[in-house]
Amino acid sequence: GAGVSQSPSNKVTEKGKDVELRCDPISGHTALYWYRQRLGQGLEFLIYFQGNSAPDKSGLPSDRFSAERTGESVSTLTIQRTQQEDSAVYLCASSFFRGARYEQYFGPGTRLTVT
Amino acid sequence: EDKVVQSPLSLVVHEGDTVTLNCSYEVTNFRSLLWYKQEKKAPTFLFMLTSSGIEKKSSSILDKKELFSILNITATQTGDSAIYLCAVLLEGAQKLVFGQGTRLTINP
Repeated sequence: GAGVSQSPSNKVTEKGKDVELRCDPISGHTALYWYRQRLGQGLEFLIYFQGNSAPDKSGLPSDRFSAERTGESVSTLTIQRTQQEDSAVYLCASSFFRGARYEQYFGPGTRLTVT
Repeated sequence: EDKVVQSPLSLVVHEGDTVTLNCSYEVTNFRSLLWYKQEKKAPTFLFMLTSSGIEKKSSSILDKKELFSILNITATQTGDSAIYLCAVLLEGAQKLVFGQGTRLTINP
């Protein structure tokens, strides 16, 4: 079916407000990732979900950031009390392993602007 | 800490030139190395390297002893302009560690 989808595609919010970003992975993909990409920079790992295992939260920059995933489906990244430095594109990806084959697909991203 | 470093960070060349993009890594449990191309939006997967040697189709190299990969692009075209990202897939997990990318600009 369709690829990884993310919503909203663009979000403008005022400093101090909370935001929720959504990711719908490809059906059957057991792993889901969130990355942040600031303008002109590379991908910064935020959090990774793998099946029913505890998520790897090692990349979350502060306790204002949290993420949840329901089973092997949709994930939500929440940023509380947004700051201007949170402005970036937030990319979600999902992946699968089949034998030696590995593929990872990215969603189109959510561009977050904090004013 | 797992780390992937790309160089150069930025490269500007003319159409027809050959470019070499570098990726070095220091990770605990290497499984494979992946290259992505990012144009306006999300990165798109190019190919994956698992064994040391030359990947003929892409003219890319993986050296698991010296811990680096090279992506060569020959006879460049303006459509090759993009950010090229290198990432290492860790063994035992599906976690990818990305480099910061190389911004390649091909001028006509």
